[in-house]
Amino acid sequence: AQTVTQSQPEMSVQEAETVTLSCTYDTSENNYYLFWYKQPPSRQMILVIRQEAYKQQNATENRFSVNFQKAAKSFSLKISDSQLGDTAMYFCAFGEYGNKLVFGAGTILRVKS
Amino acid sequence: SAVISQKPSRDICQRGTSLTIQCQVDSQVTMMFWYRQQPGQSLTLIATANQGSEATYESGFVIDKFPISRPNLTFSTLTVSNMSPEDSSIYLCSAMTHPTGLSSNYGYTFGSGTRLTVV
Repeated sequence: AQTVTQSQPEMSVQEAETVTLSCTYDTSENNYYLFWYKQPPSRQMILVIRQEAYKQQNATENRFSVNFQKAAKSFSLKISDSQLGDTAMYFCAFGEYGNKLVFGAGTILRVKS
Repeated sequence: SAVISQKPSRDICQRGTSLTIQCQVDSQVTMMFWYRQQPGQSLTLIATANQGSEATYESGFVIDKFPISRPNLTFSTLTVSNMSPEDSSIYLCSAMTHPTGLSSNYGYTFGSGTRLTVV
């Protein structure tokens, strides 16, 4: 069964600085998707970024980018120019097409002013 | 991408009663999912709900306790039956979305959650 590991329960970063959240996963599949979701106190799960495993190019979305290392089964999220609104719980998730998502334990990110 | 309306957003219920949570999607989706989340923790999948078939439950969750309906491709309900304080949690629904069939659009969208407190 697939597993997703987020080894950082909590992280802090100063406003305008850069922070990297770690995620590793385990699978024997070759084609899959990886996601980072943000969950602020409002509880809404917000998609931050998506990576398709067959694409070697790392996904980017404005201030958010990933470092996808398929062989190492690593999928870290880099947040540049951190903003107070980035404060939230961040979940790394693994999914095969047409199947359920497997979530990591989450990382609480606090952006300090 | 698809938008899910989840109701109620919160409720306080007496033990022994049941609560039905509804999720309405603004487009047709094949797969829907129901999760439970304790505050500060990750999401635990309860079951996968496909239209036209019985829901598939994860280990530790049973249909008698969490009956699910999926009458069409835009709607699903989860009932929490015979509630006890241990059922107090956040419940979220989710849908697999693939609006254009392109892999770049594949994803999962979530409802805003239901905070349930059982007293």
